[in-house]
Amino acid sequence: DAKTTQPNSMESNEEEPVHLPCNHSTISGTDYIHWYRQLPSQGPEYVIHGLTSNVNNRMASLAIAEDRKSSTLILHRATLRDAAVYYCILRDANNFNKFYFGSGTKLNVKP
Amino acid sequence: AAGVIQSPRHLIKEKRETATLKCYPIPRHDTVYWYQQGPGQDPQFLISFYEKMQSDKGSIPDRFSAQQFSDYHSELNMSSLELGDSALYFCASSLRGQGNTEAFFGQGTRLTVV
Repeated sequence: DAKTTQPNSMESNEEEPVHLPCNHSTISGTDYIHWYRQLPSQGPEYVIHGLTSNVNNRMASLAIAEDRKSSTLILHRATLRDAAVYYCILRDANNFNKFYFGSGTKLNVKP
Repeated sequence: AAGVIQSPRHLIKEKRETATLKCYPIPRHDTVYWYQQGPGQDPQFLISFYEKMQSDKGSIPDRFSAQQFSDYHSELNMSSLELGDSALYFCASSLRGQGNTEAFFGQGTRLTVV
């Protein structure tokens, strides 16, 4: 399975943008890039996903490198409620049942 | 909107006992995933089902079994419980897609083995 690499932790100030990086150098052409986050004591929550083009939704933006070997989740204005562990996950279009979490990034947001 | 329902939310069992965790997916979702998350750890994939058939298997111990029923709810059965089985167990559901569908997670069942 293609693996992802994320920093263990990051810190941000409230109301500032946050860029969370993810490396996936062994990504295959059929892998979608998904981001989930897990707030303390809660189940993981979907954030965004993309294949090749950058994506925006109400929660965040996803910037995907041209070679697809890395991506960045962008929170435009971090709030205290965004403090969570963020997971970058590759999901194969040909095998959607594989849905594995790696080691995510713990985001701390300072007031 | 209906979410993924897990029951019970909390469960305390003694060593060597059995436990059954239940998961009710979002209506019309045909795929269910189970995860185990120990304290301070990342969710570990256990098993998944699509249309009532097992579709992928992760690091699920032989003491555990699971199935998906005709109404698409799923149960995780855990026997000969060990102290190390104490964890949060999450269930997620999704619609079959081509890797581009989102999964929705329940609030989890916290299992404590004493």
